[in-house]
Amino acid sequence: GAGVSQSPSNKVTEKGKDVELRCDPISGHTALYWYRQSLGQGLEFLIYFQGNSAPDKSGLPSDRFSAERTGGSVSTLTIQRTQQEDSAVYLCASSLVGTVADTQYFGPGTRLTVL
Amino acid sequence: AQTVTQSQPEMSVQEAETVTLSCTYDTSENNYYLFWYKQPPSRQMILVIRQEAYKQQNATENRFSVNFQKAAKSFSLKISDSQLGDTAMYFCAFMKHGEGADGLTFGKGTHLIIQP
Repeated sequence: GAGVSQSPSNKVTEKGKDVELRCDPISGHTALYWYRQSLGQGLEFLIYFQGNSAPDKSGLPSDRFSAERTGGSVSTLTIQRTQQEDSAVYLCASSLVGTVADTQYFGPGTRLTVL
Repeated sequence: AQTVTQSQPEMSVQEAETVTLSCTYDTSENNYYLFWYKQPPSRQMILVIRQEAYKQQNATENRFSVNFQKAAKSFSLKISDSQLGDTAMYFCAFMKHGEGADGLTFGKGTHLIIQP
């Protein structure tokens, strides 16, 4: 079946603009995760959704970051007033809780470049 | 909080050789999962192998196997008969059992280069 998809694949924006990143998980997967991958910080966990709810948003880097998930499926990560330090690859993953090791399957990522 | 350490930033071996990537982790948890993911230049993070901590038997997937030493908190990956397509970044990752809210904790990665 189809894997996790993310759009856009690449996004270049100017400092101060808002951006929206989209993640479409594997059909039927109840859990969804966002990560950020940057040269300086490596791979960082940002937020987790079980269904439509995110029990803990403390992993988001600042209050300029927000995420939502509707209908237990697609999720969007929004970054307001982007800064150059937001430049990174944003990865989304999904899993079916209760399956072997709650394994997460990743999308191809969105490379965000803030000029 | 958990930490994952990969002490080899880069490794290079000849095709068909066997290579071992090291990973150690620190946790006070008793029940958890460990993973190795591969990330080629395409950026797609691909699951290589996974291990449930309560299982003593080491996981194997074709040419890939792990040496899981729970007491030593060590989780190394062995790649046998290495192939050019194995060239990639390899990340070791940890997750607490039933705690998806914490996500995966990744190591810094090992860049593996397979030479022809």
